[in-house]
Amino acid sequence: DTEVTQTPKHLVMGMTNKKSLKCEQHMGHRAMYWYKQKAKKPPELMFVYSYEKLSINESVPSRFSPECPNSSLLNLHLHALQPEDSALYLCASSQGGLQETQYFGPGTRLLVL
Amino acid sequence: DQQVKQNSPSLSVQEGRISILNCDYTNSMFDYFLWYKKYPAEGPTFLISISSIKDKNEDGRFTVFLNKSAKHLSLHIVPSQPGDSAVYFCAASALGGDDKIIFGKGTRLHILP
Repeated sequence: DTEVTQTPKHLVMGMTNKKSLKCEQHMGHRAMYWYKQKAKKPPELMFVYSYEKLSINESVPSRFSPECPNSSLLNLHLHALQPEDSALYLCASSQGGLQETQYFGPGTRLLVL
Repeated sequence: DQQVKQNSPSLSVQEGRISILNCDYTNSMFDYFLWYKKYPAEGPTFLISISSIKDKNEDGRFTVFLNKSAKHLSLHIVPSQPGDSAVYFCAASALGGDDKIIFGKGTRLHILP
């Protein structure tokens, strides 16, 4: 089983809203990731959690706030986003190190109005 | 500075023929290479990987070749099928290192009927 699930599939929000994206994996993976992907571009790494601790924050604006409640769950809290934040947000996980094969979820398509 | 380069933004191949997707890298520390396939509005799907101790890895219709001296790898798909139409990302990392997986910009493969 190499499944990573993400909810919701689609999200439309205004610039003053607060929303959360959720990601779950039950593969026993110890590293989880948030990526942002714009059309026709490769995924851009945002955050990495390793053993439930934030290990990488790629200079992401504070309007994005990650949270790892336990080893299977990863959230991304959104507040006061801008229209340019509209993108596909991808969650991924890997067995251990961040250099290892990452398995991606289906993504959440976010539109900020 | 692009460490992983996919110089062909798109490629069209007749159904049943061989598709060859190319990837070059500049960082000699990379020792693990991956290919991902991505359909629109979905997360990338892991296809196949190869470590630098090998020069070929095969999985069904997919074969990845690695030429370390040329810092070049390629993904061969044979025979190509309509469902192979997607964007293919090459990615690389240094296992045991501190750095993350680096993605290329992707190549869009069109399989023609």
